[in-house]
Amino acid sequence: KAGVTQTPRYLIKTRGQQVTLSCSPISGHRSVSWYQQTPGQGLQFLFEYFSETQRNKGNFPGRFSGRQFSNSRSEMNVSTLELGDSALYLCASSSRGGLEQYFGPGTRLTVT
Amino acid sequence: LAKTTQPISMDSYEGQEVNITCSHNNIATNDYITWYQQFPSQGPRFIIQGYKTKVTNEVASLFIPADRKSSTLSLPRVSLSDTAVYYCLVGDPPDSNYQLIWGAGTKLIIKP
Repeated sequence: KAGVTQTPRYLIKTRGQQVTLSCSPISGHRSVSWYQQTPGQGLQFLFEYFSETQRNKGNFPGRFSGRQFSNSRSEMNVSTLELGDSALYLCASSSRGGLEQYFGPGTRLTVT
Repeated sequence: LAKTTQPISMDSYEGQEVNITCSHNNIATNDYITWYQQFPSQGPRFIIQGYKTKVTNEVASLFIPADRKSSTLSLPRVSLSDTAVYYCLVGDPPDSNYQLIWGAGTKLIIKP
């Protein structure tokens, strides 16, 4: 089975711009979660989608949003980028959600 | 979610067995214990999951005492490539208020 894929792998954006990141889960997995990882804050949960519905949401501002399509692929959007949004954004898929998740390689976002 | 406590860092040598202990005093009856491994600039990788006693797979063993207030991840005969951060998570997936909370993990350094 192919693993979780994320595109793009690297991205450089300017403050104020917006960005969309994409995640393709493992075939058959219906849950997709997004995380932000920074050296200072560690791994922080953004949100989880299950069967096209947002099921859980972390404590991030409304500039961070996501969606999931009928084929379980998911996108995450960040609007009005700030310097502090520079991070590794990780996507994880799971058959039903929860503790056993499979992570993609991440998208390294740099905001200048 | 039950809070977990792990050592911040550990050192060991190639060929040794390494045991990393995680404390989770407030674990609930339905909670499972899961361990992940993360290399720099990569997504975490699921290692092992258990509920009680002992679980073993091709990578590691997980020991859980009867009271389940702690767990120990055991890595047999480590090599330099086992240098990584190891995370312990506890929870009962999934439900509408569920989200994964990741601690700082244990940074394991294997020396030659």
